[in-house]
Amino acid sequence: AQTVTQSQPEMSVQEAETVTLSCTYDTSESNYYLFWYKQPPSRQMILVIRQEAYKQQNATENRFSVNFQKAAKSFSLKISDSQLGDTAMYFCILSTTGNQFYFGTGTSLTVIP
Amino acid sequence: DTGVSQDPRHKITKRGQNVTFRCDPISEHNRLYWYRQTLGQGPEFLTYFQNEAQLEKSRLLSDRFSAERPKGSFSTLEIQRTEQGDSAMYLCASSYASYNSPLHFGNGTRLTVT
Repeated sequence: AQTVTQSQPEMSVQEAETVTLSCTYDTSESNYYLFWYKQPPSRQMILVIRQEAYKQQNATENRFSVNFQKAAKSFSLKISDSQLGDTAMYFCILSTTGNQFYFGTGTSLTVIP
Repeated sequence: DTGVSQDPRHKITKRGQNVTFRCDPISEHNRLYWYRQTLGQGPEFLTYFQNEAQLEKSRLLSDRFSAERPKGSFSTLEIQRTEQGDSAMYLCASSYASYNSPLHFGNGTRLTVT
């Protein structure tokens, strides 16, 4: 069975500071992808960043980067230079070859001006 | 890429009525997923299609829920005899048929059952 755990239901960060959101997962598959999605209040869920399990290099997208620790099954998201627009619910998602997506319970991030 | 569109954005209905939602995926995407999301929670899987075939349906989904995707294009989700517990955001997402293809979500349909 596949599981995704986000242990931080809520977090806050000062504007311009850095914050790290945690995610751990479990799967017996060797091929899988990991994603972080952002869902702003009352808005559409959008992709932030993705990581292929076979790639050792951590993915980076502008101010967003991940720390992918495959052996530990950990996939944390680091947001640098936090902006007010980063206030959102963040979901960690596991995708396996079984055509299913497995969601964490989400972390609500508030950026404080 | 015009994105995933869902209609209506909001639906208010009385308990016991039937409702139907529509999702138009990104045209090149052959997979389409339906999720239900309640306030402060993550999306809960309902069902998914590959082209016109419904490949999986959540065991948690009652028989009052049915989904179709005729001709592998748009999809409809119908809820019969709605109950107050059905009040939620219903999300549609589409993707290519590959595990490395990310989901593209629509804006969702917010259902309120009174």
